[in-house]
Amino acid sequence: DAKTTQPNSMESNEEEPVHLPCNHSTISGTDYIHWYRQLPSQGPEYVIHGLTSNVNNRMASLAIAEDRKSSTLILHRATLRDAAVYYCILRSYSGAGSYQLTFGKGTKLSVIP
Amino acid sequence: EAGVVQSPRYKIIEKKQPVAFWCNPISGHNTLYWYRQNLGQGPELLIRYENEEAVDDSQLPKDRFSAERLKGVDSTLKIQPAELGDSAVYLCASSSRGLISGSYEQYFGPGTRLTVT
Repeated sequence: DAKTTQPNSMESNEEEPVHLPCNHSTISGTDYIHWYRQLPSQGPEYVIHGLTSNVNNRMASLAIAEDRKSSTLILHRATLRDAAVYYCILRSYSGAGSYQLTFGKGTKLSVIP
Repeated sequence: EAGVVQSPRYKIIEKKQPVAFWCNPISGHNTLYWYRQNLGQGPELLIRYENEEAVDDSQLPKDRFSAERLKGVDSTLKIQPAELGDSAVYLCASSSRGLISGSYEQYFGPGTRLTVT
């Protein structure tokens, strides 16, 4: 399985932008980059995904390097509710029309009031 | 739209006892996953179902773990007998074929926190 590397933890001040980096140097051409986050005592939730182009949605933006070996999740204005563990995942095809997510340890984001 | 429902939320048992977890996925989702999450780690896939068929159970410890998904809807994960090392959060997730979003996004339940003493 393709692997990702993320910092163990990061801090951000409330209402400031946050850039969460992820390295995935062994990514293959068909791997999608997914980001999930897990708030305390909850299951992970989908944040955003992309293949080659930068992506925006209501939660965040995803910036993908031209060589696709790294990506950055951008939270434009961090709030206290964004404090969570953020997982960068390469979604690989697992057959039968389904895809597998292989989670690493993620980055624990702390937001300072 | 109701999310993925899991029960119980918490379970404390003594080692060697059996335990079962139940999951009701989002309506219409044909794919169901069971994950185990140890403290400080990301979730690890135990088994994946496509409708009622287990298509990937390579990470399921089959000597003590079993799972079923009757009629391709609800699912049950069982451990018998439980060991101390089974203490973890057991997460259920479901997804559709992504016909609308194309993201194959997985929706997770809140999990069951198991403590084996």
